[in-house]
Amino acid sequence: GAGVSQSPSNKVTEKGKDVELRCDPISGHTALYWYRQSLGQGLEFLIYFQGNSAPDKSGLPSDRFSAERTGGSVSTLTIQRTQQEDSAVYLCASSIEDSKNYGYTFGSGTRLTVV
Amino acid sequence: SQKIEQNSEALNIQEGKTATLTCNYTNYSPAYLQWYRQDPGRGPVFLLLIRENEKEKRKERLKVTFDTTLKQSLFHITASQPADSATYLCALVTGGFKTIFGAGTRLFVKA
Repeated sequence: GAGVSQSPSNKVTEKGKDVELRCDPISGHTALYWYRQSLGQGLEFLIYFQGNSAPDKSGLPSDRFSAERTGGSVSTLTIQRTQQEDSAVYLCASSIEDSKNYGYTFGSGTRLTVV
Repeated sequence: SQKIEQNSEALNIQEGKTATLTCNYTNYSPAYLQWYRQDPGRGPVFLLLIRENEKEKRKERLKVTFDTTLKQSLFHITASQPADSATYLCALVTGGFKTIFGAGTRLFVKA
């Protein structure tokens, strides 16, 4: 597609439930990132995928969080046993391999509310 | 510890003036620095990138400076317009591809 697509745009879930957030990056972009943004906070790095390399999971806040990227394209971020502190906007971004000149292209995010 | 600081207070300026936003960092050695614009309910949009060996970069009404000695970047919007009102984020890229974002500064341009 023309841009990075994320779904759903909004998700309200009950504490303890699992959620899946989807990201469809720009075709041809080999790098994919997940960040989360809490109100008034900067973007918090979660995980980075680059081509067929092992992902950089160093930003995942707990083992309740996991992500996969199938076929080098679509990515799913899964949060198990959601907690209220997981409420945030989850942003996905993609870039061509060398993002130095082009920056990242972000989706509009998924606003997750855990009640 | 590593920190990126942007003014948390909103910046209010009059249309036509130059807006200057500041990004300070500590304990990083960034290879390059990026600036993004974010509107409410949207993801950040990439604006400009400056490398560690560049002092200044311009794009239309935008100018970015990068002082690795002061560990500071300044982002200028000249001849500001109400449509420039948004939150502006700075982001540092160290070795590799992990990018660290600041919390952003809100800019309001009054007509």
